[in-house]
Amino acid sequence: QEQLVQSGGGFVQPGGSRRLSCTASGFIFSGYDVSWFRQAPGKGLQWVSYLSFTNGATLYADSVRGRFAISGDNNKKSVSLHMNNLRVDDTAVYYCARLDVTLGRGLSDVWGQGTTVTVS
Amino acid sequence: EIVMTQSPAALSVSPGEGVTLSCRASQRVSSRVAWYVQKPGQALRLLIYADSTRAPGIPARFSGSGSGTEFTLSISSLQSEDFAVYYCQQYETWPPATFGQGTKVDVK
Repeated sequence: QEQLVQSGGGFVQPGGSRRLSCTASGFIFSGYDVSWFRQAPGKGLQWVSYLSFTNGATLYADSVRGRFAISGDNNKKSVSLHMNNLRVDDTAVYYCARLDVTLGRGLSDVWGQGTTVTVS
Repeated sequence: EIVMTQSPAALSVSPGEGVTLSCRASQRVSSRVAWYVQKPGQALRLLIYADSTRAPGIPARFSGSGSGTEFTLSISSLQSEDFAVYYCQQYETWPPATFGQGTKVDVK
């Protein structure tokens, strides 16, 4: 069964840092892209960042550019989101998701279970 | 950025009944609408993509339709496991792929 397993959430003070991890189970990321999304309390799902394992391209939402960094490991089994200079409004449940470009660029077909980051 | 608006925000349905959820896009979307379901504490699960194609393993009681700016997800004969929150998403213009605010379906 193809799954994404997330870890790394927790409490952090404003200005602090946190690293979230997303590990593939039942597949490897080769041939796929990955995005991170977040959902703040009472808010909708928001795209945060993107990584292509094909060409290494990365993209970021304006709200996190310069503070967050996405990276993948060389064995294509996990993705990390490095979050720096965290702000109170970064508080959210963070989700990683696999993007299968053969189904449609930007379509997420497998999601992680989510991990909560609280900045306070 | 394309804004997706779902309606209603919530509805109560009896098991065995059918339901139709709506999603409106702020501009035309061409065969790039998906639907997801989320249960508390669980990962989002892809139900429908390309407006009307069921994802692998999704039962036939789920169907998607629509075009242009108006899209619907229909569930015939709701089962106990179907009571959850449903999201529509456009991936026509990406990034960002944008989501509706969700429709919560609970038991009447």
